Amino acid sequence: GAVVSQHPSWVICKSGTSVKIECRSLDFQATTMFWYRQFPKQSLMLMATSNEGSKATYEQGVEKDKFLINHASLTLSTLTVTSAHPEDSSFYICSARVFSGIDLNTGELFFGEGSRLTVL
Amino acid sequence: GNSVTQMEGPVTLSEEAFLTINCTYTATGYPSLFWYVQYPGEGLQLLLKATKADDKGSNKGFEATYRKETTSFHLEKGSVQVSDSAVYFCALSYQGGKLIFGQGTELSVKP
Repeated sequence: GAVVSQHPSWVICKSGTSVKIECRSLDFQATTMFWYRQFPKQSLMLMATSNEGSKATYEQGVEKDKFLINHASLTLSTLTVTSAHPEDSSFYICSARVFSGIDLNTGELFFGEGSRLTVL
Repeated sequence: GNSVTQMEGPVTLSEEAFLTINCTYTATGYPSLFWYVQYPGEGLQLLLKATKADDKGSNKGFEATYRKETTSFHLEKGSVQVSDSAVYFCALSYQGGKLIFGQGTELSVKP
Protein backbone atom coordinates (compact mmCIF):
# COMPACT_ATOMS: atom_id res chain seq x y z
CA GLY A 1 0.00 0.00 0.00
CA ALA A 2 0.88 3.67 -0.12
CA VAL A 3 3.38 4.96 2.43
CA VAL A 4 3.10 8.04 4.59
CA SER A 5 6.09 9.02 6.68
CA GLN A 6 6.29 11.39 9.62
CA HIS A 7 9.36 13.04 11.05
CA PRO A 8 10.43 13.27 13.76
CA SER A 9 8.90 10.24 15.41
CA TRP A 10 9.49 11.78 18.81
CA VAL A 11 10.65 15.16 20.04
CA ILE A 12 11.23 16.76 23.41
CA CYS A 13 11.29 20.53 23.66
CA LYS A 14 11.28 23.27 26.24
CA SER A 15 8.16 25.27 26.99
CA GLY A 16 7.90 28.33 24.75
CA THR A 17 9.76 26.89 21.78
CA SER A 18 8.25 25.88 18.43
CA VAL A 19 8.34 22.41 16.94
CA LYS A 20 7.80 21.38 13.32
CA ILE A 21 6.48 17.95 12.33
CA GLU A 22 6.66 16.79 8.72
CA CYS A 23 4.27 14.46 6.94
CA ARG A 24 5.32 13.06 3.57
CA SER A 25 3.53 10.83 1.10
CA LEU A 26 6.40 8.75 -0.27
CA ASP A 27 4.92 7.10 -3.32
CA PHE A 28 1.84 9.08 -4.24
CA GLN A 29 0.63 12.65 -4.49
CA ALA A 30 -1.70 13.82 -1.77
CA THR A 31 -3.73 16.92 -2.46
CA THR A 32 -5.31 16.54 0.95
CA MET A 33 -3.75 15.50 4.23
CA PHE A 34 -5.32 15.38 7.67
CA TRP A 35 -3.76 16.05 11.05
CA TYR A 36 -5.00 14.23 14.14
CA ARG A 37 -4.10 14.40 17.79
CA GLN A 38 -4.21 11.40 20.10
CA PHE A 39 -4.14 11.72 23.86
CA PRO A 40 -2.99 8.76 25.95
CA LYS A 41 -5.58 6.01 26.18
CA GLN A 42 -7.95 8.09 24.09
CA SER A 43 -9.15 8.33 20.55
CA LEU A 44 -7.83 10.38 17.67
CA MET A 45 -9.25 13.84 17.23
CA LEU A 46 -9.17 15.59 13.87
CA MET A 47 -7.37 18.90 14.13
CA ALA A 48 -7.33 20.21 10.59
CA THR A 49 -7.47 19.41 6.91
CA SER A 50 -4.40 20.41 4.95
CA ASN A 51 -4.95 21.32 1.31
CA GLU A 52 -2.08 21.68 -1.13
CA GLY A 53 -1.66 25.26 -2.23
CA SER A 54 -4.30 26.73 0.05
CA LYS A 55 -4.97 27.46 3.69
CA ALA A 56 -5.72 24.64 6.06
CA THR A 57 -9.22 24.15 7.39
CA TYR A 58 -9.30 23.84 11.17
CA GLU A 59 -11.83 21.97 13.28
CA GLN A 60 -13.80 23.84 15.88
CA GLY A 61 -11.81 24.52 19.01
CA VAL A 62 -8.39 24.12 17.38
CA GLU A 63 -6.24 27.24 17.56
CA LYS A 64 -4.95 28.01 14.08
CA ASP A 65 -2.29 30.36 15.41
CA LYS A 66 -1.01 27.68 17.77
CA PHE A 67 -0.98 24.85 15.23
CA LEU A 68 0.33 26.18 11.93
CA ILE A 69 -0.19 23.91 8.95
CA ASN A 70 1.52 24.31 5.63
CA HIS A 71 0.98 22.09 2.59
CA ALA A 72 3.64 23.38 0.25
CA SER A 73 3.75 20.49 -2.19
CA LEU A 74 1.76 17.45 -3.22
CA THR A 75 3.91 15.23 -1.03
CA LEU A 76 4.58 17.33 2.05
CA SER A 77 2.51 18.87 4.81
CA THR A 78 3.97 20.35 7.98
CA LEU A 79 2.48 21.01 11.40
CA THR A 80 4.24 23.59 13.55
CA VAL A 81 3.32 23.77 17.21
CA THR A 82 4.16 27.35 18.15
CA SER A 83 5.16 28.45 21.63
CA ALA A 84 4.60 24.94 22.89
CA HIS A 85 3.39 24.31 26.43
CA PRO A 86 3.16 21.09 28.44
CA GLU A 87 -0.54 20.74 27.60
CA ASP A 88 0.46 20.45 23.92
CA SER A 89 2.27 17.22 24.72
CA SER A 90 0.54 14.56 22.67
CA PHE A 91 0.82 12.08 19.83
CA TYR A 92 0.25 13.79 16.48
CA ILE A 93 -0.71 11.69 13.48
CA CYS A 94 -1.12 12.67 9.85
CA SER A 95 -2.96 10.86 7.11
CA ALA A 96 -3.18 11.26 3.36
CA ARG A 97 -5.90 10.08 1.06
CA VAL A 98 -5.56 8.10 -2.14
CA PHE A 99 -8.65 8.47 -4.26
CA SER A 100 -10.40 5.27 -5.21
CA GLY A 101 -13.36 6.75 -7.03
CA ILE A 102 -15.81 9.59 -7.23
CA ASP A 103 -17.05 9.17 -3.68
CA LEU A 104 -14.61 11.12 -1.55
CA ASN A 105 -15.65 9.15 1.50
CA THR A 106 -14.24 5.88 0.16
CA GLY A 107 -10.76 6.93 -0.81
CA GLU A 108 -8.36 4.97 1.34
CA LEU A 109 -6.46 6.87 3.98
CA PHE A 110 -2.88 6.02 4.88
CA PHE A 111 -1.50 7.08 8.21
CA GLY A 112 1.94 8.15 9.26
CA GLU A 113 3.65 6.46 12.18
CA GLY A 114 2.88 9.39 14.44
CA SER A 115 5.05 11.93 16.22
CA ARG A 116 5.20 12.03 19.99
CA LEU A 117 5.75 15.54 21.34
CA THR A 118 6.78 16.09 24.94
CA VAL A 119 6.98 19.67 26.15
CA LEU A 120 8.92 20.18 29.36
CA GLY B 1 -23.89 15.19 14.49
CA ASN B 2 -21.66 12.28 13.66
CA SER B 3 -20.22 10.06 16.37
CA VAL B 4 -18.78 6.61 16.96
CA THR B 5 -19.05 4.60 20.16
CA GLN B 6 -17.01 1.48 20.89
CA MET B 7 -17.11 -0.93 23.74
CA GLU B 8 -14.62 -0.09 26.40
CA GLY B 9 -11.49 -2.09 26.92
CA PRO B 10 -9.21 -3.54 27.71
CA VAL B 11 -10.43 -6.87 26.42
CA THR B 12 -8.35 -9.86 27.47
CA LEU B 13 -8.82 -13.19 25.70
CA SER B 14 -7.06 -16.50 25.51
CA GLU B 15 -5.61 -17.61 22.21
CA GLU B 16 -8.20 -19.14 19.84
CA ALA B 17 -11.09 -17.45 21.63
CA PHE B 18 -13.88 -15.70 19.71
CA LEU B 19 -13.64 -11.92 19.53
CA THR B 20 -16.36 -9.33 19.25
CA ILE B 21 -15.74 -5.61 19.61
CA ASN B 22 -18.95 -3.61 19.43
CA CYS B 23 -19.19 -0.39 17.47
CA THR B 24 -22.24 1.79 16.93
CA TYR B 25 -22.49 5.07 15.12
CA THR B 26 -24.70 8.07 14.54
CA ALA B 27 -24.43 9.88 11.25
CA THR B 28 -26.24 12.07 8.80
CA GLY B 29 -26.31 10.55 5.38
CA TYR B 30 -24.57 7.30 4.52
CA PRO B 31 -21.00 7.22 5.73
CA SER B 32 -18.38 4.62 4.98
CA LEU B 33 -17.30 2.62 8.02
CA PHE B 34 -13.83 1.42 8.93
CA TRP B 35 -11.86 -0.57 11.43
CA TYR B 36 -8.29 0.52 12.02
CA VAL B 37 -5.67 -1.29 14.09
CA GLN B 38 -2.70 0.14 15.95
CA TYR B 39 -0.07 -2.40 16.98
CA PRO B 40 2.27 -1.48 19.83
CA GLY B 41 4.74 1.15 18.71
CA GLU B 42 3.30 1.43 15.22
CA GLY B 43 0.99 3.72 13.29
CA LEU B 44 -2.62 3.14 12.36
CA GLN B 45 -3.39 0.62 9.65
CA LEU B 46 -6.65 0.02 7.86
CA LEU B 47 -7.99 -3.39 8.82
CA LEU B 48 -11.23 -3.44 6.84
CA LYS B 49 -13.96 -1.21 5.53
CA ALA B 50 -17.55 -1.20 4.24
CA THR B 51 -19.02 1.51 2.09
CA LYS B 52 -22.74 0.78 2.14
CA ALA B 53 -25.44 -0.99 4.10
CA ASP B 54 -25.13 -4.79 4.30
CA ASP B 55 -21.56 -4.72 2.99
CA LYS B 56 -19.20 -7.02 4.83
CA GLY B 57 -15.57 -6.02 5.16
CA SER B 58 -13.05 -8.73 5.89
CA ASN B 59 -9.30 -9.09 6.27
CA LYS B 60 -6.88 -11.37 8.17
CA GLY B 61 -9.78 -13.38 9.59
CA PHE B 62 -11.55 -10.30 10.90
CA GLU B 63 -14.92 -9.26 9.56
CA ALA B 64 -17.58 -6.62 10.17
CA THR B 65 -20.96 -6.02 8.56
CA TYR B 66 -22.43 -2.57 7.97
CA ARG B 67 -25.86 -2.73 9.66
CA LYS B 68 -27.91 0.33 8.86
CA GLU B 69 -30.95 -0.82 10.83
CA THR B 70 -28.96 -1.09 14.06
CA THR B 71 -26.34 1.54 13.09
CA SER B 72 -23.62 -0.92 13.99
CA PHE B 73 -20.33 -2.22 12.60
CA HIS B 74 -19.18 -4.85 15.08
CA LEU B 75 -15.76 -6.41 14.59
CA GLU B 76 -15.50 -10.21 14.89
CA LYS B 77 -12.86 -12.87 14.61
CA GLY B 78 -13.43 -16.54 15.15
CA SER B 79 -10.07 -17.42 16.66
CA VAL B 80 -7.70 -14.75 17.92
CA GLN B 81 -3.93 -15.07 18.09
CA VAL B 82 -1.37 -13.45 20.35
CA SER B 83 -0.26 -11.37 17.35
CA ASP B 84 -3.73 -9.75 17.25
CA SER B 85 -2.97 -7.88 20.46
CA ALA B 86 -3.40 -4.22 19.56
CA VAL B 87 -5.75 -1.27 19.87
CA TYR B 88 -8.71 -1.34 17.50
CA PHE B 89 -10.49 1.78 16.34
CA CYS B 90 -13.87 1.97 14.66
CA ALA B 91 -14.33 5.01 12.44
CA LEU B 92 -16.70 6.63 10.00
CA SER B 93 -15.88 8.84 7.07
CA TYR B 94 -17.58 12.13 6.31
CA GLN B 95 -17.01 15.34 4.33
CA GLY B 96 -14.56 14.08 1.81
CA GLY B 97 -12.31 11.81 3.79
CA LYS B 98 -12.37 13.14 7.33
CA LEU B 99 -12.65 10.40 9.94
CA ILE B 100 -14.39 10.30 13.27
CA PHE B 101 -12.89 7.64 15.51
CA GLY B 102 -14.31 5.70 18.38
CA GLN B 103 -12.37 5.74 21.61
CA GLY B 104 -10.43 2.61 20.76
CA THR B 105 -10.53 -0.84 22.33
CA GLU B 106 -7.35 -2.44 23.58
CA LEU B 107 -7.18 -6.17 22.94
CA SER B 108 -4.75 -8.39 24.79
CA VAL B 109 -4.50 -12.04 23.75
CA LYS B 110 -2.77 -14.43 26.14
CA PRO B 111 -1.15 -17.69 25.01
